Amino acid sequence: SAVISQKPSRDICQRGTSLTIQCQVDSQVTMMFWYRQQPGQSLTLIATANQGSEATYESGFVIDKFPISRPNLTFSTLTVSNLSPEDSSIYLCSETDSKSRGYTFGSGTRLTVV
Amino acid sequence: GENVEQHPSTLSVQEGDSAVIKCTYSDSASNYFPWYKQELGKRPQLIIDIRSNVGEKKDQRIAVTLNKTAKHFSLHITETQPEDSAVYFCAASDSNSGYALNFGKGTSLLVTP
Repeated sequence: SAVISQKPSRDICQRGTSLTIQCQVDSQVTMMFWYRQQPGQSLTLIATANQGSEATYESGFVIDKFPISRPNLTFSTLTVSNLSPEDSSIYLCSETDSKSRGYTFGSGTRLTVV
Repeated sequence: GENVEQHPSTLSVQEGDSAVIKCTYSDSASNYFPWYKQELGKRPQLIIDIRSNVGEKKDQRIAVTLNKTAKHFSLHITETQPEDSAVYFCAASDSNSGYALNFGKGTSLLVTP
């Protein structure tokens, strides 16, 4: 299965600033996704990162707040903009290449906004 | 969109007993159903999955059953061990909706020695 490297693993940011999270996959993959996991909660899909085109956002998530890039089939970034304490959470990327292989997750980024 | 319901939210069993976690889904087009185990501070790890053309799948102490008519699927863990203690998430995916996984709310499983 593919291996995803996600960074940073954690960060503490001032409100009003932005944080960019990177995910690098060790092989070309078809689909990449970004999730948010608040403490003690489940994973909520933010968006599907589309290679070469705009990401597809889920209800409640907008591009201005969560801009996503996916310049190629192995790399994606998520930026969380204009940070507020409510953005404190764990953010995870995920990938899948084919239905037979399942989905793997990055190690997560723990964001604390102060 | 897809809505996945998961029960129970917490489950406590004695070591050696079986544990069963159940999920229902709303979208009849969903065709892939994985289960993830997440230990504290770690990423979710796939433990077993099942596709819509199969009714049951087993891997050692872990099994998953799927009832497409009733739109529910279950995780069965036999001979539980303390290291099975973790949060378990079910999920569903529909290739017609972009393949993204929609997760249940999770079950916190505690196996006591």
